[in-house]
Amino acid sequence: DIQMTQSPSSLSASVGDRVTITCRASQSISSYLNWYQQKPGKAPKLLIYTSSSLQSGVPSRFSGSGSGTDFTLTISSLQPEDFATYYCQQSYSAPRTFGHGTKVEIK
Amino acid sequence: EVQLVESGGGLVQPGGSLRLSCAASGFSFKNYEMNWVRQAPGKGLEWISYISSDSTKYYAHSVKGRFTISRDNAKSSLFLQMNSLRVEDTSVYYCVRDSGGKGAYFDHWGQGTLVTVSS
Repeated sequence: DIQMTQSPSSLSASVGDRVTITCRASQSISSYLNWYQQKPGKAPKLLIYTSSSLQSGVPSRFSGSGSGTDFTLTISSLQPEDFATYYCQQSYSAPRTFGHGTKVEIK
Repeated sequence: EVQLVESGGGLVQPGGSLRLSCAASGFSFKNYEMNWVRQAPGKGLEWISYISSDSTKYYAHSVKGRFTISRDNAKSSLFLQMNSLRVEDTSVYYCVRDSGGKGAYFDHWGQGTLVTVSS
């Protein structure tokens, strides 16, 4: 199985900050990397698929990049509603494994 | 609007069984691949099972031989039969729609149903 490693596991940031979360795959996954946002007590929500494609309805302050083994989720200007846990997931091969999550907290 | 509504969760003893259901609406269910994903309390996400539109099935190692995924396209419903339940199966179980194709992602999630395995 492909292992997904996210960093950091948590971070504290202020409204308006630029935030970057990294995800590394244990082998090359081309661009088959997705990002999800989960708020407490809620189901995950798809933000970005295939590394950099923004899901319909997701604000443009979210962006993704990367290919091969290294990927990045960037929030250009953190908003109050963005405080949540973010998960990466590879969809290159089965089983489609997730990273362990990055919790974005208020500073 | 796509809606996925899970039901059937609850408290069950170790070794027991439970059947989860997911009612789908707002899209042509029969044309979509579907999944179950679970999340243990305070933990991350774990994919556990997949079913294609023509009922090809895959399972995670952790549940293979104990869980069975199925679907009823006429009723737009997805199921997960869980047998020989273990304490470590305690989780919120999500019904998840698959975008399909190479590099498919999970584009719609239900609200989840909690399964607690405890004596």
